[in-house]
Amino acid sequence: DAGITQSPRHKVTETGTPVTLRCHQTENHRYMYWYRQDPGHGLRLIHYSYGVKDTDKGEVSDGYSVSRSKTEDFLLTLESATSSQTSVYFCAINSSPPGTQYFGPGTRLTVL
Amino acid sequence: DQQVKQNSPSLSVQEGRISILNCDYTNSMFDYFLWYKKYPAEGPTFLISISSIKDKNEDGRFTVFLNKSAKHLSLHIVPSQPGDSAVYFCAASANSGGYQKVTFGTGTKLQVIP
Repeated sequence: DAGITQSPRHKVTETGTPVTLRCHQTENHRYMYWYRQDPGHGLRLIHYSYGVKDTDKGEVSDGYSVSRSKTEDFLLTLESATSSQTSVYFCAINSSPPGTQYFGPGTRLTVL
Repeated sequence: DQQVKQNSPSLSVQEGRISILNCDYTNSMFDYFLWYKKYPAEGPTFLISISSIKDKNEDGRFTVFLNKSAKHLSLHIVPSQPGDSAVYFCAASANSGGYQKVTFGTGTKLQVIP
């Protein structure tokens, strides 16, 4: 196992509330990623990080922000949750060969 | 713009038979192609990959074929087992400003019937 944990594993919240999801890795990997998985869309990249304090947007970044103050932790924040952000969120780190990623167990988020 | 496409949302196969999962892509810059397997309530796990300079890669019961001229890849599972029942994601990666950007397909749900 790559040593990736996500917390919480499940969360139900209400529209308009802020939500923070945490990804923790023990592998000291430089690159970390946040994806969301939705039926009919597969896995879509939200944000990624290439080092402490170094982050960039993915294809579905609107409504999300991230922070990485330590190598091992990558936080995903929904500033004001909306029902369209109901999804399963996965964190991942790089591996080899190129393109290979290890994924965390996921966080199921429901926004009512 | 869906750069990686899996046109079959689901597939049912009898145990012991061959499962063939297909994937098409549009971006010629992809240099690695991968298959991931996902069980319910778990994260995707890497299964097998192939470099764009090869046309076949085999790992036990799993073989990936790449047809660059057709921009098509497929995953063959022989023989299929009930434990192979899962969602399979095709993915492709390309170097993008120093990191490998990975694009995923929408997934194919495989059911292996005992």
